[in-house]
Amino acid sequence: AQSVTQPDIHITVSEGASLELRCNYSYGATPYLFWYVQSPGQGLQLLLKYFSGDTLVQGIKGFEAEFKRSQSSFNLRKPSVHWSDAAEYFCAVGLDSWGKLQFGAGTQVVVTP
Amino acid sequence: DAGVTQSPTHLIKTRGQQVTLRCSPKSGHDTVSWYQQALGQGPQFIFQYYEEEERQRGNFPDRFSGHQFPNYSSELNVNALLLGDSALYLCASSLPSGSVADTQYFGPGTRLTVL
Repeated sequence: AQSVTQPDIHITVSEGASLELRCNYSYGATPYLFWYVQSPGQGLQLLLKYFSGDTLVQGIKGFEAEFKRSQSSFNLRKPSVHWSDAAEYFCAVGLDSWGKLQFGAGTQVVVTP
Repeated sequence: DAGVTQSPTHLIKTRGQQVTLRCSPKSGHDTVSWYQQALGQGPQFIFQYYEEEERQRGNFPDRFSGHQFPNYSSELNVNALLLGDSALYLCASSLPSGSVADTQYFGPGTRLTVL
């Protein structure tokens, strides 16, 4: 069965430091992979997505993610975090061609001064 | 251009009652999906509507039903509410092709509390 695992429930990072959020997936075919961010009181916003091609994907707000098939991973990175990056981040895999998504449990990011 | 809107923002019901949640998709979108997000968990797919028909469904009981109107807006109905139905319900819309390649836009959600 398909699954998405985000091993880190909670991460604390200092403002200006780098951030890496882990995502592992289990999926038979070539996966469609997504990272979403959710701020309090707001819906999910798409940061980036990967379907094929270049395994390093650039997204909005300075985020990037790298697809590694050999490790079944799609980790999200940002070189220098801002206080506004404090939010919950979700990795998701597209389960079919119609856009049905399966989400991980999320990683809560706290940014300290 | 308004994004995806949902109403109400918050809702409190008691066990056994019925609830209807509403969603208006982003302009130009005709595919609507509903997700349930329990506290501390990621969203789970409930079902998707396209051309006023339920196109696919997740692993949710028949107590969860929906509808899509000709203007593409959608409703989620939950009957015989259980305490475990307490969650944030998210609506997402996407372009007419409704393919996984299209970006899904999520609304802010409706917070349902069942007492």
